[in-house]
Amino acid sequence: SQTIHQWPATLVQPVGSPLSLECTVEGTSNPNLYWYRQAAGRGLQLLFYSVGIGQISSEVPQNLSASRPQDRQFILSSKKLLLSDSGFYLCAWSPLGAGGGIVGKNIQYFGAGTRLSVL
Amino acid sequence: GQSLEQPSEVTAVEGAIVQINCTYQTSGFYGLSWYQQHDGGAPTFLSYNALDGLEETGRFSSFLSRSDSYGYLLLQELQMKDSASYFCAVVPGNTPLVFGKGTRLSVIA
Repeated sequence: SQTIHQWPATLVQPVGSPLSLECTVEGTSNPNLYWYRQAAGRGLQLLFYSVGIGQISSEVPQNLSASRPQDRQFILSSKKLLLSDSGFYLCAWSPLGAGGGIVGKNIQYFGAGTRLSVL
Repeated sequence: GQSLEQPSEVTAVEGAIVQINCTYQTSGFYGLSWYQQHDGGAPTFLSYNALDGLEETGRFSSFLSRSDSYGYLLLQELQMKDSASYFCAVVPGNTPLVFGKGTRLSVIA
């Protein structure tokens, strides 16, 4: 069966410090991978998604970047955190579409999330 | 652009039935999904509708009308554990899901 791991669960970082959040998926190959941010009591904001190694699409221009160094690894980074980067960060995966890319139901499976507080 | 509208909050009594509506405006449409998220937890997939009509999964049902760009999630025999946020999400086709802002359901005794 497929599992998704995301760590750390909580993180407190000072403003201006770097960030690295890691997400790995097991039990599947060539998944689509996603990073979301959720502010308290709000909806899910898609930050980045990837349909393959080295392929990153950015949905919102901001202080963050993403990388996919391996097929089942997705990393969210920042060189200098801002107060506004605080939030609940969620990694997700979905099966690759039949023709490649994102097609079909696109059911997404989420990691447990990282609660980031920038102080 | 893409937009989804759903009520921000709904309160219902334990044992009752509640309906959470979702209307959407998207440039592409493949289907409508629903996700549940408990406080502090991760969203989990509940249901998916690609065609008009009702899909039933236990106490939960989901409905879609493509011509009206409208869907709803129906929860029957409400239990306290159903208290959570519910998100509708459009499947545009070849781009990622577009999520609504979520409806916070509170089940009271």
